[in-house]
Amino acid sequence: AQSVTQPDIHITVSEGASLELRCNYSYGATPYLFWYVQSPGQGLQLLLKYFSGDTLVQGIKGFEAEFKRSQSSFNLRKPSVHWSDAAEYFCAVGARGSQGNLIFGKGTKLSVKP
Amino acid sequence: EADIYQTPRYLVIGTGKKITLECSQTMGHDKMYWYQQDPGMELHLIHYSYGVNSTEKGDLSSESTVSRIRTEHFPLTLESARPSHTSQYLCASSEYRRTGELFFGEGSRLTVL
Repeated sequence: AQSVTQPDIHITVSEGASLELRCNYSYGATPYLFWYVQSPGQGLQLLLKYFSGDTLVQGIKGFEAEFKRSQSSFNLRKPSVHWSDAAEYFCAVGARGSQGNLIFGKGTKLSVKP
Repeated sequence: EADIYQTPRYLVIGTGKKITLECSQTMGHDKMYWYQQDPGMELHLIHYSYGVNSTEKGDLSSESTVSRIRTEHFPLTLESARPSHTSQYLCASSEYRRTGELFFGEGSRLTVL
């Protein structure tokens, strides 16, 4: 069965420090992969997506993610975190042809220390 | 900026009441979705629609029902609310061919006493 695992429930980083949020997926073929961000009291917003091609994808707000097929991972990175990045981050996987029905992880809450 | 709206944002209601959560989008998207979100848990798809007069049940069984009479409108109804229905409900939409690129509303937080 398809699944998404985000091993870290809560991460705290200092402003200006680098960030990596982990995501592992279980899927029988190459999936579509996504990262969404949810600020407090808001809906989710798409940060970036991987469909095919270059395994390093760039997203909005300075985020990037790297697809590693051998590790079934799609980790999210940012070189320098800003206080406004404090939010919850969700990794999601979609099957090709599933017409957009995603499976989400449980999310990682990011806190940013001044 | 996505144009998808949910009302009410917050609702506290007694057991047994009928409630309807409204969702409207102005982007002309064919696909619409309802997700249920609880703290520390995955988002679970409870309903989706491919277009007018199309409704499908999602991965998580739900006692709620939906309708899609107009492209822009996808309301969710609970005929008799129970405390187990307390949750946040997120509506989303997408273009039919853009798999996984969802636009979400801000959510409706329902509390059933």
